[in-house]
Amino acid sequence: QVQLQESGPGLVKPSETLSLTCTVSGGSISSYYWSWIRQPPGKGLEWIGYIHYSGSTNSSPSLRSRVTISVDTSKKQFSLKLRSVTADDTAVYYCARPATVGTPWDGFNIWGQGTMVTVSS
Amino acid sequence: DIQMTQSPSSLSASIGDRVTITCRASQSISSHLNWYQQKPGKAPNLLIYTASSLQSGVPSRFSGSGSGTDFTLTISSLQPEDFATYYCQQSYSTLTFGQGTRLEIK
Repeated sequence: QVQLQESGPGLVKPSETLSLTCTVSGGSISSYYWSWIRQPPGKGLEWIGYIHYSGSTNSSPSLRSRVTISVDTSKKQFSLKLRSVTADDTAVYYCARPATVGTPWDGFNIWGQGTMVTVSS
Repeated sequence: DIQMTQSPSSLSASIGDRVTITCRASQSISSHLNWYQQKPGKAPNLLIYTASSLQSGVPSRFSGSGSGTDFTLTISSLQPEDFATYYCQQSYSTLTFGQGTRLEIK
């Protein structure tokens, strides 16, 4: 079955760029939309953005100016870059895939385990 | 953005209780509503999609209903493994989640 695994630094300095990669295993990266979702400690879930395997993207209006999402289909990976981070960006970051092919936001039935990123000097 | 408001924010209940959690959208989202369960330190788990469809592998004691702006998640008979936080999520437009409902043991 399809599995997702996030990877990247667990500590980022304020004003720098957070960079994470999600690797897809056990299935194809094609045909689906792939999302990034985050959860600050003790708080709720926030959608960051998605990328389609074709390369089209969309992101949350509140983060759009700082977010870049890219895909490397040959490596079956997609990546998140979040610029100019502050302590408010400290969170567990998840990558996720919806259950339905071709829809960006239907129920996410596949999630990575999540990776904690702390923004601190 | 469409705002999703869950109630209550927290809830205490006993094993065997019937529990209902409500999610209200700030505008009509038809049936584009999903429910998740999240346990500490784990990723969310999809329970219900398109308001009332049970995700494969999810026990039948979970059910969802509603359309338009008002939705409910019902657990018919609480089991020990059901104590967790529950989130609704709308997929009608730019994705947003409710703030969560924490279900605790009474």
